Amino acid sequence: SQTIHQWPATLVQPVGSPLSLECTVEGTSNPNLYWYRQAAGRGLQLLFYSVGIGQISSEVPQNLSASRPQDRQFILSSKKLLLSDSGFYLCAWSVLGGISSEQYFGPGTRLTVT
Amino acid sequence: AQTVTQSQPEMSVQEAETVTLSCTYDTSESDYYLFWYKQPPSRQMILVIRQEAYKQQNATENRFSVNFQKAAKSFSLKISDSQLGDAAMYFCAYSPGGSEKLVFGKGMKLTVNP
Repeated sequence: SQTIHQWPATLVQPVGSPLSLECTVEGTSNPNLYWYRQAAGRGLQLLFYSVGIGQISSEVPQNLSASRPQDRQFILSSKKLLLSDSGFYLCAWSVLGGISSEQYFGPGTRLTVT
Repeated sequence: AQTVTQSQPEMSVQEAETVTLSCTYDTSESDYYLFWYKQPPSRQMILVIRQEAYKQQNATENRFSVNFQKAAKSFSLKISDSQLGDAAMYFCAYSPGGSEKLVFGKGMKLTVNP
């Protein structure tokens, strides 16, 4: 069966510090991968998605970037965090070329920028 | 643009009773998919149910069922015999056929009263 991991689960970082959040998927090959952000009490905002290694689509211009160095690894980064980067970050995967974009989510990372 | 609207930000239901969560969407596509996701306090997004637009039969998963009205672009979720564990945020989502992306509604908080 497929599983998706995210780490760390919780992170507190000062403004101006770098960020690296990691997401890995097991039990499937060539997945679509996604990064979402969810502000407190709000809906999900799609940040990036990837349909293959090195292929990244950015949905919202911002302080963040994403990379996919391996087939089942998706990394969210920032060189300098802003207060507004605080939130809950969710990684998700779906079947590449699937009929529908049915997505499966990881447990998330709670990021607090102080 | 495709949009998903959840007009009720909060609802409550008594344990063992039935509750219906509403969702409407806007699209010009004929081939698409609709989903309900649940986000409990742990904040991991869990897929509850999926509906293919080409299917007239409403999807059912145990205590969860949908009322899909394609002409009205309405996709409501009915939870029967509500349980305390059903308390969560519920998100309606839409995906055009063949798309890699989901469009989410803003979510609705369901409280289950004992």
